[in-house]
Amino acid sequence: EAGVVQSPRYKIIEKKQPVAFWCNPISGHNTLYWYLQNLGQGPELLIRYENEEAVDDSQLPKDRFSAERLKGVDSTLKIQPAELGDSAVYLCASSFGLAGAHDTQYFGPGTRLTVL
Amino acid sequence: ILNVEQSPQSLHVQEGDSTNFTCSFPSSNFYALHWYRWETAKSPEALFVMTLNGDEKKKGRISATLNTKEGYSYLYIKGSQPEDSATYLCALNTGGFKTIFGAGTRLFVKA
Repeated sequence: EAGVVQSPRYKIIEKKQPVAFWCNPISGHNTLYWYLQNLGQGPELLIRYENEEAVDDSQLPKDRFSAERLKGVDSTLKIQPAELGDSAVYLCASSFGLAGAHDTQYFGPGTRLTVL
Repeated sequence: ILNVEQSPQSLHVQEGDSTNFTCSFPSSNFYALHWYRWETAKSPEALFVMTLNGDEKKKGRISATLNTKEGYSYLYIKGSQPEDSATYLCALNTGGFKTIFGAGTRLFVKA
C-alpha cells in the first residue's frame, strides 16, 4: 500500500516568491493534516481537513498561507509571498478520522523549504 | 499553553548499548500518547499508541511504558543498532483530534 506522498521534497526560493506543496494521502483516509516543523521543534498543526472541509485552521497564518483539498483527496498548501521565517519542513499526514485515541496519523516525508 | 517535553534532546550511544528517553506531559490533559520514529529523509513512522496508565508496549527491541498519573512515558531500546539512529517523537492526544508533539530525541548509534 502506498504511503502519504508529498512533493516536492526540497524547494529553494527567494523571499517574496510564491510556493506550493502537494500532498496525496493514503487511500481511504478522510482526515488530512498539514504540519510545520521548525528546526529543533516538534511538528505544529497548520490545518486539518475532514474530507474537503477545513475543520481546524486556527493556526494557519491566513495573510500569506492558503490550503485546499478539492474532492476530499489531494491537498495543496500555498505560501504567497514567502518570508525568510517560513524556512522549515512542511509535513502532511492522513488518518482514517476515527473517534478516540487510536486514530494513528501516517506521515509523508515532508517538504524542506528554504527561503533565501 | 500545553507543553510536551522530551529529554534528552540528543543521545550518542555505541552499538549494543541499551538506552532510554523520556516524554513528559501534563497529566490532566492526557487522552492518548503516540510514539513515532523519524529517520532522516524518510517519513515519521508510528511505533506505539498508549492509552492506559501502566501500559507497556513492545515492538522488537523497542518498548515503551506509560504513567498517566505523573505524566511521563519512557521509550527503551535494547541493544541499539546503527539502524535505530533516528529522531523519536512523542505526541500527546488531548482528546478529539488535538495532538501536541514534543521536539523529539535524536539518537545516534555508532557502529
